[in-house]
Amino acid sequence: GENVEQHPSTLSVQEGDSAVIKCTYSDSASNYFPWYKQELGKRPQLIIDIRSNVGEKKDQRIAVTLNKTAKHFSLHITETQPEDSAVYFCAASKTGGGNKLTFGTGTQLKVEL
Amino acid sequence: DAGVTQSPTHLIKTRGQQVTLRCSPKSGHDTVSWYQQALGQGPQFIFQYYEEEERQRGNFPDRFSGHQFPNYSSELNVNALLLGDSALYLCASSRGGTGANVLTFGAGSRLTVL
Repeated sequence: GENVEQHPSTLSVQEGDSAVIKCTYSDSASNYFPWYKQELGKRPQLIIDIRSNVGEKKDQRIAVTLNKTAKHFSLHITETQPEDSAVYFCAASKTGGGNKLTFGTGTQLKVEL
Repeated sequence: DAGVTQSPTHLIKTRGQQVTLRCSPKSGHDTVSWYQQALGQGPQFIFQYYEEEERQRGNFPDRFSGHQFPNYSSELNVNALLLGDSALYLCASSRGGTGANVLTFGAGSRLTVL
């Protein structure tokens, strides 16, 4: 089955700096890669996703890149703000996979003033 | 739009008991998936329901079972509870069955097994 590894497990940055979180996946058939933000005690919220037919997607301060050959994808947050502090999860799934998202282990991002 | 709603939000059970968790999907969604999230971990896929049938299952024992009703709502049942079943149980809904579709998560039901 699919295996998703995520690094780093914790990340501390200064407000205004950039943050990068990296994930690798094992199943070459995976074609959908969402990123979720989960604040303490709250539901995971989709912040951005990418499908395997594109290499990069941006939404304001957030971007995701995908390298299908290397089977890795990354989340980039620019101009970080204190409200970006949360746990971020990457995930992977594939068409016909029954919406089975395989999640990474999460990255605790702390944006310090 | 209320999004995905789950009940109860918190519950405490003892080992050996049984529990039923409920989920109402987001309006317009017809597919429900259940995930277990242990403390400090990423969510783990339990199973997915579409057209009132279990379509795919993760690596969970038969003690975990579910149901989907004609109105697309769903239940997760766990029998013979173990201490290790303590977790946040998340329901996620989507539209269109078994494709790699965008999931919307509920706030979860936090189960504590004593």
